Amino acid sequence: GAVVSQHPSWVICKSGTSVKIECRSLDFQATTMFWYRQFPKQSLMLMATSNEGSKATYEQGVEKDKFLINHASLTLSTLTVTSAHPEDSSFYICSASPLPGGELFFGEGSRLTVL
Amino acid sequence: EDQVTQSPEALRLQEGESSSLNCSYTVSGLRGLFWYRQDPGKGPEFLFTLYSAGEEKEKERLKATLTKKESFLHITAPKPEDSATYLCAVQAGISSNTGKLIFGQGTTLQVKP
Repeated sequence: GAVVSQHPSWVICKSGTSVKIECRSLDFQATTMFWYRQFPKQSLMLMATSNEGSKATYEQGVEKDKFLINHASLTLSTLTVTSAHPEDSSFYICSASPLPGGELFFGEGSRLTVL
Repeated sequence: EDQVTQSPEALRLQEGESSSLNCSYTVSGLRGLFWYRQDPGKGPEFLFTLYSAGEEKEKERLKATLTKKESFLHITAPKPEDSATYLCAVQAGISSNTGKLIFGQGTTLQVKP
C-alpha cells in the first residue's frame, strides 16, 4: 500500500502557542490530502481538504483561522494549529490516495497536547 | 443524513473463537465502503474496500462482505495480534469530495490467548 508519513508523532505545547504538523506522501504524489481529527474514544472526523496550489476546503464548524493548511507541493501538506488551547488537544491524522477517489491511506497520526 | 453505525462497541473473544463485526450504513449513493484497523495511538491501516452488494474480500483471517444496508467483517480463528479497533467508513456518491469518509465509532476487539 501507499505510504503516508506524519511529523511529529506527538507534541506538547503551552496554551497560546502555534504548532505545525507535516504530512508527506512518500511514494506517490497527492494533489489532495485530507486532515482528520480524532478525540479519545471517538471516531475520525474530517476537518479539511488540502488542495495543492489552492486554498483548503474546510468542513462545517472548523475554524479556518485556527487551523491553517498549506499544500505547497505534491507530497507535502502542513496543518498549523494557531493560538492553541487545551480544547484543541486531540489526535490529528492526515490521509491521501494515490488515485482520485481511491482508497485513502492514513499517516501515523500526531497527538497534540496543549497545556 | 449519511450515517454509519458499528456494533458491537466492544468484543472480547478467546483465541480461535470466530465472530463477526457489523457495520450498518445509510448513505445517499454508496461510492465505497472501507474497513480499517487502528491500533492504539496509530493511524488507521487500510484493510478492504467494497463497492457493490454481494462483494466479498478476504485477507488472512479476515473476510469482509457487503449488502445494500450493511457490511460484516468476519474474523475466523482470531489470534491475540488481531486485537485492535476496527473502523468502518463509507464514501457517499453525492459528495463531490471523494476523500470525505464518514466513519463509524469502531469496534474494539480483544482476543485473549
